[in-house]
Amino acid sequence: NAGVMQNPRHLVRRRGQEARLRCSPMKGHSHVYWYRQLPEEGLKFMVYLQKENIIDESGMPKERFSAEFPKEGPSILRIQQVVRGDSAAYFCASSPRTGSHNEQFFGPGTRLTVL
Amino acid sequence: AQSVAQPEDQVNVAEGNPLTVKCTYSVSGNPYLFWYVQYPNRGLQFLLKYITGDNLVKGSYGFEAEFNKSQTSFHLKKPSALVSDSALYFCAVRPPSDTDKLIFGTGTRLQVFP
Repeated sequence: NAGVMQNPRHLVRRRGQEARLRCSPMKGHSHVYWYRQLPEEGLKFMVYLQKENIIDESGMPKERFSAEFPKEGPSILRIQQVVRGDSAAYFCASSPRTGSHNEQFFGPGTRLTVL
Repeated sequence: AQSVAQPEDQVNVAEGNPLTVKCTYSVSGNPYLFWYVQYPNRGLQFLLKYITGDNLVKGSYGFEAEFNKSQTSFHLKKPSALVSDSALYFCAVRPPSDTDKLIFGTGTRLQVFP
């Protein structure tokens, strides 16, 4: 059973470009979470999605960031018009169902560098 | 505000000695507590969790953690450290009143010396 897959692993963008980060959850998992890790900091929650629904986006910046988890295909985190401050590691996690006791399984992350 | 504190940026320990990585939390209600480990350029790996029941929780790779409600702590421990345990350790809490998001501490870098 493959784990959570994220691609690309490394992404370099110039200021003003768009960044698209993909996440394929573990097989059988229908809940996806995105976290951002700034250098020397812990992970900060961004958004929680189920298939075709955004459940909690309280951690998402109000502008330029969006996320989706379509019925078919991976979850996408999109950052428009990137700025240097967007440089970070973005981690996706998945879980099989809701319930506060279920651990989340994390992918290897996408490291975004904005030049 | 709900938060998790890991007061030590780095913990150094000699191989074979016991280790402790500290974590305290500030959450209303009865939280669910987790420990994750991160190796360089890798994602987070789940180590253990406390939901309810016995305050001493045993997890992967010989790690254990003790939940102390009065001190609002969930320290990670291992009786005998290995060099291969060297990594970044994150404590996380999931407030019971919230959706499934995790609140992470800032991490503690564990360095085990041979």
